[in-house]
Amino acid sequence: GEDVEQSLFLSVREGDSSVINCTYTDSSSTYLYWYKQEPGAGLQLLTYIFSNMDMKQDQRLTVLLNKKDKHLSLRIADTQTGDSAIYFCAEDSGNTGKLIFGQGTTLQVKP
Amino acid sequence: GAVVSQHPSWVICKSGTSVKIECRSLDFQATTMFWYRQFPKQSLMLMATSNEGSKATYEQGVEKDKFLINHASLTLSTLTVTSAHPEDSSFYICSASSSPGESDEQYFGPGTRLTVT
Repeated sequence: GEDVEQSLFLSVREGDSSVINCTYTDSSSTYLYWYKQEPGAGLQLLTYIFSNMDMKQDQRLTVLLNKKDKHLSLRIADTQTGDSAIYFCAEDSGNTGKLIFGQGTTLQVKP
Repeated sequence: GAVVSQHPSWVICKSGTSVKIECRSLDFQATTMFWYRQFPKQSLMLMATSNEGSKATYEQGVEKDKFLINHASLTLSTLTVTSAHPEDSSFYICSASSSPGESDEQYFGPGTRLTVT
């Protein structure tokens, strides 16, 4: 079945770049997403990428997609303490709106 | 932007009782709402998909008689946890979409933390 994998933890210093990686298995996914979850809160959509793209940049966020390897990454430039949160990648399932989430990567930003 | 609310934000109930959680789209009509469950430090797991005016579609392993979903209007879906047990304690999150399958049109609620004692 569909599966999405992420590393569980990443620690960076304020001002550095953060790179969060994700692998997925469903090659029929149309969109791939990155969500941010702060403690005790719901999910905030950060960005998404259409499956026929290989890169998307949105201010401090850069998404890279390697469709051949089914690898997705999120780069956060100039990481700030306010970026500390859990980041989930997700793929849609057959373009139905159903999302399959990874386990989430906890990003810790040290001052 | 589109806003989805959930009520209550947290609830504590005794074993054997039922709890209803509401999910509302505040400024758009949601043809489809999704219900997720999240255990501590774990990912979100899709429980069911509900379309307005029709029966919900449950994911494999989710008991439809235990987790009753009603999507009576284009702005409201409810999840009722019936005869709750401590193992039902979790963070329940809904999302709403006006056009499922399109890029960024799925919006998440803030979640409801359920604790069953």
